[in-house]
Amino acid sequence: AQSVTQPDIHITVSEGASLELRCNYSYGATPYLFWYVQSPGQGLQLLLKYFSGDTLVQGIKGFEAEFKRSQSSFNLRKPSVHWSDAAEYFCAVARTMEYGNKLVFGAGTILRVKS
Amino acid sequence: AAGVIQSPRHLIKEKRETATLKCYPIPRHDTVYWYQQGPGQDPQFLISFYEKMQSDKGSIPDRFSAQQFSDYHSELNMSSLELGDSALYFCASRPPLGSAEFNEQFFGPGTRLTVL
Repeated sequence: AQSVTQPDIHITVSEGASLELRCNYSYGATPYLFWYVQSPGQGLQLLLKYFSGDTLVQGIKGFEAEFKRSQSSFNLRKPSVHWSDAAEYFCAVARTMEYGNKLVFGAGTILRVKS
Repeated sequence: AAGVIQSPRHLIKEKRETATLKCYPIPRHDTVYWYQQGPGQDPQFLISFYEKMQSDKGSIPDRFSAQQFSDYHSELNMSSLELGDSALYFCASRPPLGSAEFNEQFFGPGTRLTVL
């Protein structure tokens, strides 16, 4: 079964600093990869996704992520963090895109932004 | 743009009571997913439906059942509620094959269930 590891439970960065959130997956083939953001008490918003092709994908809110097959990683980055980025970030994988196929989420990383 | 609608947004129940959560997918979406997110936890897949048929099943307790109706909305029925059922329940929908966004799940705002 596929699994997702987000090694950092909490990360604190200063406003304006760069950010990298780590995500590693375990699966025999290349899964479908996603990053979601969740503000407290809110739903999940898709930041970006990777299915194939260019390994550097751009998302909303200035986020990008890079797929590295050799490291089974899909790390999320942002060059300059804004206070409004404070939230919890989930990496997720799907084994296939067959009907009904589920997303498997990592444990999440809580981002705190200090001014 | 229309989004996934979940009702109610908040629900408080006593132990051993029943609860019904409803999900209305984005129009023309034919696949619905249910996820459960416990306090401080990541979302866990419960069950999914495609064209009114169950398509995948996760760690859904036997006390829970769900279905998808002809208008594609879905209901999650929860009986004999336990304290541990307190969680945020998300519904997500997916557009049909051929859509540009076929590979994406669109999440609703969630229903926060509190069991006392």
